[in-house]
Amino acid sequence: ETGVTQSPTHLIKTRGQQVTLRCSSQSGHNTVSWYQQALGQGPQFIFQYYREEENGRGNFPPRFSGLQFPNYSSELNVNALELDDSALYLCASSSRPTDEKLFFGSGTQLSVL
Amino acid sequence: QQQVKQSPQSLIVQKGGIPIINCAYENTAFDYFPWYQQFPGKGPALLIAIRPDVSEKKEGRFTISFNKSAKQFSLHIMDSQPGDSATYFCAASYSGTYKYIFGTGTRLKVLA
Repeated sequence: ETGVTQSPTHLIKTRGQQVTLRCSSQSGHNTVSWYQQALGQGPQFIFQYYREEENGRGNFPPRFSGLQFPNYSSELNVNALELDDSALYLCASSSRPTDEKLFFGSGTQLSVL
Repeated sequence: QQQVKQSPQSLIVQKGGIPIINCAYENTAFDYFPWYQQFPGKGPALLIAIRPDVSEKKEGRFTISFNKSAKQFSLHIMDSQPGDSATYFCAASYSGTYKYIFGTGTRLKVLA
């Protein structure tokens, strides 16, 4: 059983640029959630994808968008990057409706200069 | 109402001690409460979770105590080891939503 994998592990961008982060869900999992973790803080829910559709969104602006593919992998896109977008971006997968647990990847560390 | 308040922010214990981390919530609609452990450079890993119909749950050296009336829950780590040094997060969710609200984290250091 493979775990949640994220790429890239680290990324440096400049303000105003766009970025795409990728996530492969754990084998057998059909739901992917994205979280933003600022330094010294707990993860904050960005949005969730189930059956290739957005299924709930946290308090993040529309320049944060995502996709889920038929194989349940997912992308997080952030447009017009701001300095405050610098954070660890975590992907988590789960198996709806059978299991409540979230399994996290190691994250992508995004630095915006 | 959506917040989960976690304390303390940091904790230092001797090897073999029992660190206790506390969390409180306001929204009584929350009905799933997991705890996560995170090492530097890694994603959070699920330790143990509880639902409000149970007052205590043990898995290995980790125990959750749950007080529904006080809307509080806590994590106890028995016989703590230096390898337990990590950041611990409590979380809460509405059953079936798969969306977690996390506390701010507790940085634990276990001295050898």
